[in-house]
Amino acid sequence: GESVGLHLPTLSVQEGDNSIINCAYSNSASDYFIWYKQESGKGPQFIIDIRSNMDKRQGQRVTVLLNKTVKHLSLQIAATQPGDSAVYFCAGSNAGKSTFGDGTTLTVKP
Amino acid sequence: EPEVTQTPSHQVTQMGQEVILRCVPISNHLYFYWYRQILGQKVEFLVSFYNNEISEKSEIFDDQFSVERPDGSNFTLKIRSTKLEDSAMYFCASSEATEDGYTFGSGTRLTVV
Repeated sequence: GESVGLHLPTLSVQEGDNSIINCAYSNSASDYFIWYKQESGKGPQFIIDIRSNMDKRQGQRVTVLLNKTVKHLSLQIAATQPGDSAVYFCAGSNAGKSTFGDGTTLTVKP
Repeated sequence: EPEVTQTPSHQVTQMGQEVILRCVPISNHLYFYWYRQILGQKVEFLVSFYNNEISEKSEIFDDQFSVERPDGSNFTLKIRSTKLEDSAMYFCASSEATEDGYTFGSGTRLTVV
């Protein structure tokens, strides 16, 4: 079955620095990938997505990179702010079923 | 901004009892999902629902689970005979299409005692 995993369970950055959160997936059939942010006591919140026919997508302060050759996904957050502190999940999707990774806890130090 | 609404926010139940978790998805969304998250662990897929039937389900979603869309707005998850290990946050989500990010509700914390 599919597994989706993150490289590091925790990441601590200084406010204003850029953050990079990585994710690896196993199922080549995944054709759609999403990054979610989960704050304490809340449900996952959609950040950005990318389809398998793309290798880069940019949003507001966030960029997702997809490397299908090595089945790797990353989320880059520019100028990280204290409000970015949360758990970040990547999810791989195929035929409407999303499989979530374990999550990386991002802590932003003021 | 449209929201997915879940009730109750917290449910405590005796082992062996039936519980129904309720969700109101976003009105123009066609795809509905239930996920669960055991404390400190990752979000796990339970079931997806489209056109009044289950489209995908996981190994977790066994015979004690069922979903229903009883009317045009609600989407429910029923657990027939709860076990201690069913204690978790249960998230409902909806999307317009399968290749869209989901909008999640705030979750129902189920505690089985």
